Amino acid sequence: DTEVTQTPKHLVMGMTNKKSLKCEQHMGHRAMYWYKQKAKKPPELMFVYSYEKLSINESVPSRFSPECPNSSLLNLHLHALQPEDSALYLCASSEETSSTDTQYFGPGTRLTVL
Amino acid sequence: AQKITQTQPGMFVQEKEAVTLDCTYDTSDPSYGLFWYKQPSSGEMIFLIYQGSYDQQNATEGRYSLNFQKARKSANLVISASQLGDSAMYFCAMREGQSDKLIFGTGTRLQVFP
Repeated sequence: DTEVTQTPKHLVMGMTNKKSLKCEQHMGHRAMYWYKQKAKKPPELMFVYSYEKLSINESVPSRFSPECPNSSLLNLHLHALQPEDSALYLCASSEETSSTDTQYFGPGTRLTVL
Repeated sequence: AQKITQTQPGMFVQEKEAVTLDCTYDTSDPSYGLFWYKQPSSGEMIFLIYQGSYDQQNATEGRYSLNFQKARKSANLVISASQLGDSAMYFCAMREGQSDKLIFGTGTRLQVFP
């Protein structure tokens, strides 16, 4: 089973709203990732968690706040977003963080900021 | 400098024919992994195939095979017997050494016609 689930599938929010994206995997993976993907572009890495600790923050604005409550769950808290933050947000997981470890992606959340 | 280069923005192939999607990479790390992902219009990134830098044989997974030419730093994806459902965006990606990061190319949009 290589399933990563993400909720919600679609999200529309105003610039003053607070919302959260959720990602879950039950493969026993110890690394989890958030990516942002704009239309017709490759995914851009935002955050990496390794063994539930934040290991990479790719200079993401503080209006995006990641959280890893346990080894299976990864959240992305959103606050005071801008319209340019509208994108597909992809979560991924891998066994660990070496070059041989395949990242498995969830179906994504399509976010629209009005 | 681009670490992953996909020079074909778009490709067309007739159903049941084979197609090759090009990917070249640039790294000085002797240990790396190369990955291909498929992204249909629904948005999910689907893992297709993996090739490790130390692997002696070209990777194969069903109708997918990877033409790995290490000296030329190329890792082309070959899809045999194309199907209409293969129409999607295809991304080549690389992970170096112990890096947490998966570096993506710009993608190739494949369209399969009857």
